[in-house]
Amino acid sequence: QKEVEQNSGPLSVPEGAIASLNCTYSDRGSQSFFWYRQYSGKSPELIMFIYSNGDKEDGRFTAQLNKASQYVSLLIRDSQPSDSATYLCAVAARRGSARQLTFGSGTQLTVLP
Amino acid sequence: NAGVTQTPKFQVLKTGQSMTLQCAQDMNHNSMYWYRQDPGMGLRLIYYSASEGTTDKGEVPNGYNVSRLNKREFSLRLESAAPSQTSVYFCASSQGTSGSIYEQYFGPGTRLTVT
Repeated sequence: QKEVEQNSGPLSVPEGAIASLNCTYSDRGSQSFFWYRQYSGKSPELIMFIYSNGDKEDGRFTAQLNKASQYVSLLIRDSQPSDSATYLCAVAARRGSARQLTFGSGTQLTVLP
Repeated sequence: NAGVTQTPKFQVLKTGQSMTLQCAQDMNHNSMYWYRQDPGMGLRLIYYSASEGTTDKGEVPNGYNVSRLNKREFSLRLESAAPSQTSVYFCASSQGTSGSIYEQYFGPGTRLTVT
């Protein structure tokens, strides 16, 4: 079992719809969770992080965390074509001498005009 | 602030050649990381440096060495390049050792091809 799992997609949604991206993780001791957006040929860009159970909203983005079920999700409201990218889920843990992130393989999102 | 910078942006090597990838950050971060990204594999940690003067192996360290030159700079060296090292390499940094700050910020990447 991978430590962090995401559906690879591709996920297609029409413009204006809600895009829902999901991620599950295996380490129950994980404390911090991150969503990165990566456009084709570019580097990952941090868009959201969440530490506590429940929802965290930032503009059109909402991160949801359920530690009991070991999943974290990202909702994108009013999806725009510019949201088309690969979304990486990352889970943090302290290993060795530093805090490290374990990344999922990403979900490719396409927003259709 | 430039954030995290990497050089070069692109590189083609022949099998057996060596090279060093350079990374620098101007955010006064303590921790720095090197990842590789291959299609369908996500980001995999090669080496990291929790603070100046320390380095540790990540998930896929074989064939690589690193140097934390100072707080700002962290380099990755391929001593004898192999085709399996064809990948996109990202450097990242984070505040690191204090509190619960885990967010990592990435450089633009180096696209390396080994023929």
